[in-house]
Amino acid sequence: DQQVKQNSPSLSVQEGRISILNCDYTNSMFDYFLWYKKYPAEGPTFLISISSIKDKNEDGRFTVFLNKSAKHLSLHIVPSQPGDSAVYFCAANHPLGSNTGKLIFGQGTTLQVKP
Amino acid sequence: KAGVTQTPRYLIKTRGQQVTLSCSPISGHRSVSWYQQTPGQGLQFLFEYFSETQRNKGNFPGRFSGRQFSNSRSEMNVSTLELGDSALYLCASSWGPDYGYTFGSGTRLTVV
Repeated sequence: DQQVKQNSPSLSVQEGRISILNCDYTNSMFDYFLWYKKYPAEGPTFLISISSIKDKNEDGRFTVFLNKSAKHLSLHIVPSQPGDSAVYFCAANHPLGSNTGKLIFGQGTTLQVKP
Repeated sequence: KAGVTQTPRYLIKTRGQQVTLSCSPISGHRSVSWYQQTPGQGLQFLFEYFSETQRNKGNFPGRFSGRQFSNSRSEMNVSTLELGDSALYLCASSWGPDYGYTFGSGTRLTVV
């Protein structure tokens, strides 16, 4: 039972354009969502997060949108740069109760930004 | 500021052996979580410790265990290694559940 899904295994965009990575979730109890970037043989690097009380959070070139009714979040990268090429994971966390401290990850989307 | 440190970076073990991996969290972080990454299963939660207590455990067999010390450093142990245990094991630390998690670079375990 995959509670967090990233349906696009890969995405290719041109440098300078917008990259949009999508993530769907099924558990309505999730109330905190995070995006991580990962290179092979390294640990994930935190990019940006959003609480369920918000629908948008921005940090520089990165913006995360949350649509709770659709149980969908997306990460926008504008403008995309070749250094953004990596695997991107979305993760969900229910900070309270029995799921404290547990992140549930999607399967990842490989982003390639072409010069 | 030091990040999350995992040792060793690479490890090769034989089936049936046991292994201990170590994680030193960011100073002040009391929550430490462990994850397993494999090509087929992605990133999967193993367990989380907070102030030396295991608060949550993922769906892994009892061969996987862990502990946390009073200085928040954590170890995980895998006994009776199987070929399928070959993976990248990642540790993450945090101030607490609402503050996000910082990951270490991981330990690449190969079981032969």
